[in-house]
Amino acid sequence: GAGVSQSPSNKVTEKGKDVELRCDPISGHTALYWYRQSLGQGLEFLIYFQGNSAPDKSGLPSDRFSAERTGGSVSTLTIQRTQQEDSAVYLCASSFQGPQWSGETQYFGPGTRLLVL
Amino acid sequence: GDSVTQMEGPVTLSEEAFLTINCTYTATGYPSLFWYVQYPGEGLQLLLKATKADDKGSNKGFEATYRKETTSFHLEKGSVQVSDSAVYFCALHLRGDNNDMRFGAGTRLTVKP
Repeated sequence: GAGVSQSPSNKVTEKGKDVELRCDPISGHTALYWYRQSLGQGLEFLIYFQGNSAPDKSGLPSDRFSAERTGGSVSTLTIQRTQQEDSAVYLCASSFQGPQWSGETQYFGPGTRLLVL
Repeated sequence: GDSVTQMEGPVTLSEEAFLTINCTYTATGYPSLFWYVQYPGEGLQLLLKATKADDKGSNKGFEATYRKETTSFHLEKGSVQVSDSAVYFCALHLRGDNNDMRFGAGTRLTVKP
């Protein structure tokens, strides 16, 4: 497909379990972003990748959250020892990240809806 | 820090009514400004954007003008349709080391026939 894809689309887990969320960006996009959208809230920036490196991890809510990106493509967001407050929609986006600053458009995936019981 | 403040919702309008959703920003540099829209059951998608002062972004009858003097990027549409019912997010992007997008809290619009 041509768009950003995410899996799973829905995940229900028990408190204390680990979960792994996957994002496949648009082919050729070098920048990848993770956001969290809690019920009734706006989007909260989590982390951004430029290629395989993550210059800014300051948005990760706690050390239970980690993310990696390999091969400059697929990214996984891992939440360890999940808590009920982690329940949210996790959105991934990618952009081309051209050499000139041009107000790049981010293309969003459909999100993974996580529910921690 | 950089941030976006947008009009709280929900907003309910009748079809063909005029729409304004206010958005103001705070930024240390010169951001690009965006409106994203999330239709029911769908992912976020770009509605329009403006990359410098006085630029007007437009799409699907929606418009927003980048006003540096008032640090605003209000979204307007002259005649809304039922199909415009969605959540609208104002956002800014200030490229730098972080390169992240700052989003407003979103405004839910419902248009009734």
